[in-house]
Amino acid sequence: DVKVTQSSRYLVKRTGEKVFLECVQDMDHENMFWYRQDPGLGLRLIYFSYDVKMKEKGDIPEGYSVSREKKERFSLILESASTNQTSMYLCASRWGHQETQYFGPGTRLLVL
Amino acid sequence: GEDVEQSLFLSVREGDSSVINCTYTDSSSTYLYWYKQEPGAGLQLLTYIFSNMDMKQDQRLTVLLNKKDKHLSLRIADTQTGDSAIYFCAESKNSGNTPLVFGKGTRLSVIA
Repeated sequence: DVKVTQSSRYLVKRTGEKVFLECVQDMDHENMFWYRQDPGLGLRLIYFSYDVKMKEKGDIPEGYSVSREKKERFSLILESASTNQTSMYLCASRWGHQETQYFGPGTRLLVL
Repeated sequence: GEDVEQSLFLSVREGDSSVINCTYTDSSSTYLYWYKQEPGAGLQLLTYIFSNMDMKQDQRLTVLLNKKDKHLSLRIADTQTGDSAIYFCAESKNSGNTPLVFGKGTRLSVIA
């Protein structure tokens, strides 16, 4: 079974802190994705990566950056956390462009 | 407009059938997916259908695809309280490494 893990289930940070959200997949998937999920807005794509050291902006990249140094790991970075970044963050991975995306359990981030 | 649309809420009685509907816009989509999200969790793949199929059945789940109308539905027979969740429809764009496009999700409430 594909496994996508996220470093934390819950995280509380203060405004202005630098925040790292880590995602690891164990199936040698090429593509990895970061979404945020907010009530009434569904899933919104922040960034995705189709290979090591490659990244593409999604629909809402502002205030975020990403890092993919190894194939299995995709990190989402909030350079200076703000209260409007309080959200549920979901990581996903897949192999190829027609294959299923597999999701991690999510990280619920609260920025105070 | 939205690429993938679904109604936001559905309420059914335990034991009844649930039908969750979705419309999409990209006629070249090759796969269409249904994901389930239970409270506080990530998205779990329920089922998917290839675009050259009209129907797919998997135990209590039936997926119907009307490619002419770009309409996808998920029927859950004998709905149980454990089926209460948010259900997301998603389409796979048949172009390169583009991510799946998700609807905003339908929250299914099952009344005992």
